[in-house]
Amino acid sequence: KAGVTQTPRYLIKTRGQQVTLSCSPISGHRSVSWYQQTPGQGLQFLFEYFSETQRNKGNFPGRFSGRQFSNSRSEMNVSTLELGDSALYLCASSLVAAYNEQFFGPGTRLTVL
Amino acid sequence: QKEVEQDPGPLSVPEGAIVSLNCTYSNSAFQYFMWYRQYSRKGPELLMYTYSSGNKEDGRFTAQVDKSSKYISLFIRDSQPSDSATYLCAMSANFGNEKLTFGTGTRLTIIP
Repeated sequence: KAGVTQTPRYLIKTRGQQVTLSCSPISGHRSVSWYQQTPGQGLQFLFEYFSETQRNKGNFPGRFSGRQFSNSRSEMNVSTLELGDSALYLCASSLVAAYNEQFFGPGTRLTVL
Repeated sequence: QKEVEQDPGPLSVPEGAIVSLNCTYSNSAFQYFMWYRQYSRKGPELLMYTYSSGNKEDGRFTAQVDKSSKYISLFIRDSQPSDSATYLCAMSANFGNEKLTFGTGTRLTIIP
């Protein structure tokens, strides 16, 4: 069974631009969560989608948004990029909405210049 | 102050040594404790989870929870170069339906 896939793997953007990251969960998984990972803050929860509905949200500004499609694939968008948005963005999927049974993808490394 | 504190390391130990990784936390509601391993350029993978206080053993790995001290540990016996990775602790108050709070991770290198 294929794991969680994320595209692109690496991305370089400049301040003020916007970016869209994509996540394909494990087949059959309906829950997708997004995390931001930085050396200083570690893994921070962004939001979670289950059956196309945002079920939970972390403490990030409105510039961070997401959505989930009917096939469970998810996208995350960051508008008006700031230097501090440089991070590894991880997507995790689970069969049902169970954070303890998540499988993580390899992440998208975003660098904002 | 962060809810979960974890020494970022880096920690380097010789092959075969016992490794001790630790996290402290401030939220007394946390009852479920997890350890994740993250190899370079990979996402985290769940290594072990425990509920409440006590020990849990899985092969060379032992997870220990001391709720009275708000302190959790992961011990790795007979460490191998393949154990070189970043180890993250994570915890929650409810099992499954509550988001996890992660530590920042400890980077571990096992020297052959």
